[in-house]
Amino acid sequence: DIVMTQTPLSSPVTLGQPASISCRSSQSLVHSDGNTYLSWLQQRPGQPPRLLIYKISNRFSGVPDRFSGSGAGTDFTLKISKVEAEDVGVYYCMQATHFHTFGQGTKLEIK
Amino acid sequence: EVQLVESGGGLVQPGGSLRLSCTASGFIFSSYSMNWVRQAPGKGLEWVSYIDSSSTSIYYADSVKGRFTISRDNAKNSLYLQMNSLRAEDTAVYYCTAFASGTYVYWGQGTLVTVSS
Repeated sequence: DIVMTQTPLSSPVTLGQPASISCRSSQSLVHSDGNTYLSWLQQRPGQPPRLLIYKISNRFSGVPDRFSGSGAGTDFTLKISKVEAEDVGVYYCMQATHFHTFGQGTKLEIK
Repeated sequence: EVQLVESGGGLVQPGGSLRLSCTASGFIFSSYSMNWVRQAPGKGLEWVSYIDSSSTSIYYADSVKGRFTISRDNAKNSLYLQMNSLRAEDTAVYYCTAFASGTYVYWGQGTLVTVSS
């Protein structure tokens, strides 16, 4: 099974400042079809998760452009250019190249 | 507006059964693969089961294999999860999710399953 490891597990950030979350997979996420099925999800307190980014760097419909994704192979990053209060929550990376597994989650909180 | 509405959760004793349902609207349900994903209280997300659009391909997490059965009825825009031989560790919020482009594009609000005596 592929293990997804996120760092940090907790990230206190000042409003208006950038934030970055890393996700590393235990093996390459490049699928035989050439795609890399790495996504980022956001879960606000008391809410279900919602999709932010898919296939490494594609923003889902309605996602603000302050969110961006990058990476390749086994190392991926989610960046928030300027954190807003509504960004508080837990962020998960998820791979669907080899079945489906999630990272442990990173809690984003405001300092 | 896309909606996924789960139902069927509740309190059940260890060894008991429950059937979860998920009703979809606002998108072409029959064109999407679907999944169940669960989240134990205060914990992270765990994929449970996958079914493709025509019910041809079905997969389960090892933790539920042999106990849970996923199914769908495209005519009713509905997804199901039959859960048997429930254990305390199955206690979680169960989310219905639509799958496309290699990710979970739509999520329901979830239904809570509590396994306890």
